[in-house]
Amino acid sequence: DAGVIQSPRHEVTEMGQEVTLRCKPISGHDYLFWYRQTMMRGLELLIYFNNNVPIDDSGMPEDRFSAKMPNASFSTLKIQPSEPRDSAVYFCASSPLGLAGGRTGELFFGEGSRLTVL
Amino acid sequence: GENVEQHPSTLSVQEGDSAVIKCTYSDSASNYFPWYKQELGKRPQLIIDIRSNVGEKKDQRIAVTLNKTAKHFSLHITETQPEDSAVYFCAASRSGSARQLTFGSGTQLTVLP
Repeated sequence: DAGVIQSPRHEVTEMGQEVTLRCKPISGHDYLFWYRQTMMRGLELLIYFNNNVPIDDSGMPEDRFSAKMPNASFSTLKIQPSEPRDSAVYFCASSPLGLAGGRTGELFFGEGSRLTVL
Repeated sequence: GENVEQHPSTLSVQEGDSAVIKCTYSDSASNYFPWYKQELGKRPQLIIDIRSNVGEKKDQRIAVTLNKTAKHFSLHITETQPEDSAVYFCAASRSGSARQLTFGSGTQLTVLP
């Protein structure tokens, strides 16, 4: 398996523009997570899905942020309009369902999308 | 919600020495505690995890200890090597799995040759 695939790897945009980040999870994983990483706030959970259904979006900072998962192999995180304070690395991660034993609680992260909003 | 504090923020050790990173958590219901390693410019990767029904877990040079009463857990790396240099994150969850993990702020470990 190629692992979690994110695109774009780097995005530079101007304030006010719409940004769409994309993620393909590992096949067979039931859970998909979007995290944001900044120096000031570390790794923050934005939202996660179970079987394509959003379960907890309490980490989404504002209405400018939205996430969708139309099918088991694709998810998007959209920021509209973008602001300079949205500059961060956005990670997508997937995980297999499992509550007992081994490493079944593991998050498999993608390479991340580095967003710069000017 | 859960709050995870991690110390120190930076740590330098000589190659071959041991390194210890400590985390405390606030939610007594938390029951899953993973540690992730992130090399410069790379993705975080799980290196070890522990659940609340055990007090210690070891995997070669890496070990994690958990004190539920005091609500703290620690990562121990023995015989450090230059390739251990990275940022290490602790995390906690009450779901027993990777759902709703709260991460610590990270520790930059530098192993000096």
